[in-house]
Amino acid sequence: DAKTTQPPSMDCAEGRAANLPCNHSTISGNEYVYWYRQIHSQGPQYIIHGLKNNETNEMASLIITEDRKSSTLILPHATLRDTAVYYCIVRALSGSARQLTFGSGTQLTVLP
Amino acid sequence: GAGVSQSPRYKVAKRGQDVALRCDPISGHVSLFWYQQALGQGPEFLTYFQNEAQLDKSGLPSDRFFAERPEGSVSTLKIQRTQQEDSAVYLCASSLYRDPRFSTQYFGPGTRLTVL
Repeated sequence: DAKTTQPPSMDCAEGRAANLPCNHSTISGNEYVYWYRQIHSQGPQYIIHGLKNNETNEMASLIITEDRKSSTLILPHATLRDTAVYYCIVRALSGSARQLTFGSGTQLTVLP
Repeated sequence: GAGVSQSPRYKVAKRGQDVALRCDPISGHVSLFWYQQALGQGPEFLTYFQNEAQLDKSGLPSDRFFAERPEGSVSTLKIQRTQQEDSAVYLCASSLYRDPRFSTQYFGPGTRLTVL
């Protein structure tokens, strides 16, 4: 699976949009971009995933650049409960690997 | 609403002791994973089950680590002769399909193991 690069930390004001970037310049055509988050003392939680089109669900939006070398996770109205480590993961839906490969993620702190 | 549960939530062991960590996946989920998370790091894969079959144990760090899922539901991760470097959070995840890449992995809260 392709390697991802994320900033180690970010701050965001409560009620504002949080935009979390991820670089995945070596992504292959069959690899998806997944986002998980991990709130302190909890297990990771799935947020969203996409291949090349932008995606939106009740939690967030995922914007993938046209060349697919980077993406941005958008939390439209961040709350204090969104404070967590956010992981960007690239994985293929073919091949033998079944597990998720996490990096170090981005610590998002939502400030009151 | 049953998610993935793990027990105990916290375990303190003396170096050299054996420990057993339990995972109760979501009912009906075929795939089950164990991950290890060191402090300040992302989770790292240990092993993967499809029903009762352990299909991948390439992430187990040593032969002191052993996992089983004898009836295809509850799983136990056992660590023999614990060492200080085994101190970590152990996470269990399950997903619905035989091929977990096509379904969401749901994680439990983890067991924090501290080896003194």
